[in-house]
Amino acid sequence: GQQLNQSPQSMFIQEGEDVSMNCTSSSIFNTWLWYKQDPGEGPVLLIALYKAGELTSNGRLTAQFGITRKDSFLNISASIPSDVGIYFCAGSDNTDKLIFGTGTRLQVFP
Amino acid sequence: SQTIHQWPATLVQPVGSPLSLECTVEGTSNPNLYWYRQAAGRGLQLLFYSVGIGQISSEVPQNLSASRPQDRQFILSSKKLLLSDSGFYLCAWSLKSGTEAFFGQGTRLTVV
Repeated sequence: GQQLNQSPQSMFIQEGEDVSMNCTSSSIFNTWLWYKQDPGEGPVLLIALYKAGELTSNGRLTAQFGITRKDSFLNISASIPSDVGIYFCAGSDNTDKLIFGTGTRLQVFP
Repeated sequence: SQTIHQWPATLVQPVGSPLSLECTVEGTSNPNLYWYRQAAGRGLQLLFYSVGIGQISSEVPQNLSASRPQDRQFILSSKKLLLSDSGFYLCAWSLKSGTEAFFGQGTRLTVV
């Protein structure tokens, strides 16, 4: 079945640093989504990407839909303590399924 | 605006007991509906999805089943729970396939 490999698995950074994480797929996706999950809660949508090469920002967050349609990355600039959480990529191909990546756990130290 | 409700928030059930988790969506029609399970410290595993009433697709053969008796209602069930069924169960909806999905608050199930 389809797999989304997300890296890095975890990150420990200092407040103010920039963060970059990425997601790769074994097959082509038509949609890439990025979510953040706080402990004990459902994931919250951060950015949605629908077109190869698309670069979209949401405040300090920027995500890109890879040209090959098999990857996507998420950047967070000038991290702050409330950025702590687990970040997930998710992708959708021509089927009705929405597949999630393995997650990147982010810790921000003051 | 659309909202999604999932209950209960937490549940402790003995091994061998039945399970019924309910998810309802308000403010939209004919949504795609999804059930995911998340083990502690792990990613989201797609269990079932539905594109319409009575239409259920299963991703992972296991001890669970899903039903969609009404357009905006999605139910996750089990006849006999196993210890391995413990986890965080999340329901989500999307307007159509290939678009962003929105999640409920989740149900933390502990099978003892």
